[in-house]
Amino acid sequence: QKEVEQNSGPLSVPEGAIASLNCTYSDRGSQSFFWYRQYSGKSPELIMSIYSNGDKEDGRFTAQLNKASQYVSLLIRDSQPSDSATYLCAVKAAGNKLTFGGGTRVLVKP
Amino acid sequence: DTEVTQTPKHLVMGMTNKKSLKCEQHMGHRAMYWYKQKAKKPPELMFVYSYEKLSINESVPSRFSPECPNSSLLNLHLHALQPEDSALYLCASSQGDGAYEQYFGPGTRLTVT
Repeated sequence: QKEVEQNSGPLSVPEGAIASLNCTYSDRGSQSFFWYRQYSGKSPELIMSIYSNGDKEDGRFTAQLNKASQYVSLLIRDSQPSDSATYLCAVKAAGNKLTFGGGTRVLVKP
Repeated sequence: DTEVTQTPKHLVMGMTNKKSLKCEQHMGHRAMYWYKQKAKKPPELMFVYSYEKLSINESVPSRFSPECPNSSLLNLHLHALQPEDSALYLCASSQGDGAYEQYFGPGTRLTVT
């Protein structure tokens, strides 16, 4: 069974702190990795994509990929109350199918 | 511009009704997707169209019928749905097959009574 796993949370972080989200996947053939943010009642919004090992930074977000460990993470620096949402990790292996993890709910407390 | 539009935003239908959901993108993307999302669950893939041809059907019941009239439009025809089909229906598009990013529309909130 090919799977993508995330801690469901909630991950509670104080405003201004770093939120660290983790995701593991089982298919070693996975090639592309994405993080989506989803506010309650809204659709998923793409915030990061990463394709090769290492770090990728975009504003307050950093994605980290380690294919040997089958692990991808998302760091949110200087967390704001507006970052409170569910973060979905999504992985694409060969073909055109995106497999989602169950999502991590993040709560940023002022 | 990464905009995918969906209509209607909300839809309430009876179990004997026939209705359609519509999705449109003008990004020149050649792959389009239908997903179903229940509360507190991740999106579940239903169908994939690649270059206007159905490439993936995730064993979806025949009461859901997809259609891709052209590269910008995607429809989902609904007939004889069940109350358990109530969900958020999401359309997405990507540049093509493979490792491309998928962008989601705002979704249609469907309630089956």
